[in-house]
Amino acid sequence: EAGVAQSPRYKIIEKRQSVAFWCNPISGHATLYWYQQILGQGPKLLIQFQNNGVVDDSQLPKDRFSAERLKGVDSTLKIQPAKLEDSAVYLCASSFTGNTEAFFGQGTRLTVV
Amino acid sequence: KQEVTQIPAALSVPEGENLVLNCSFTDSAIYNLQWFRQDPGKGLTSLLLIQSSQREQTSGRLNASLDKSSGRSTLYIAASQPGDSATYLCAVYNNNDMRFGAGTRLTVKP
Repeated sequence: EAGVAQSPRYKIIEKRQSVAFWCNPISGHATLYWYQQILGQGPKLLIQFQNNGVVDDSQLPKDRFSAERLKGVDSTLKIQPAKLEDSAVYLCASSFTGNTEAFFGQGTRLTVV
Repeated sequence: KQEVTQIPAALSVPEGENLVLNCSFTDSAIYNLQWFRQDPGKGLTSLLLIQSSQREQTSGRLNASLDKSSGRSTLYIAASQPGDSATYLCAVYNNNDMRFGAGTRLTVKP
């Protein structure tokens, strides 16, 4: 069974530039999560999808971050414009439904300079 | 809002020791609790999932327990090895919401 796929693995951009991350969840998983993990901290939920609908985006900085999951499968997370404090690892996870075991991708390490 | 705390933040032990990692949470109305391992620069690897109706789960040298009423879970690692060195994170599921603690960074010295 293929795991959660994320790309790119690493990205370096200058502040005020834009960046996009892609996630392909495990086949059949309805729930998809995007987390931000700053060095030394636990992951913080940015947005959670159930199929193509948003369940929770209360911690997503909507002035600069956006995410979509148009067909209920793949998802993209975008930052525009990026700030220095956005430097972090962005983790995607999926689960069969909410409250069931979640599986994580390898993450995308973003450095904003 | 669920708050998840992990203590200690860092732990260093000699090889062969048994050890316990702690996770506490403020809202006991949880569905599941999951323990993860994270190696430097990598994603999260699932170790154990405990459902709210269970009190413990075991996998090899790992044993996780859950006490919902006191808002606590422990991860017991038996006969620790240098390869166990990593950050261990617990995540609590509440009503479709998964919240993490900050993790415990474990170092097992040869």
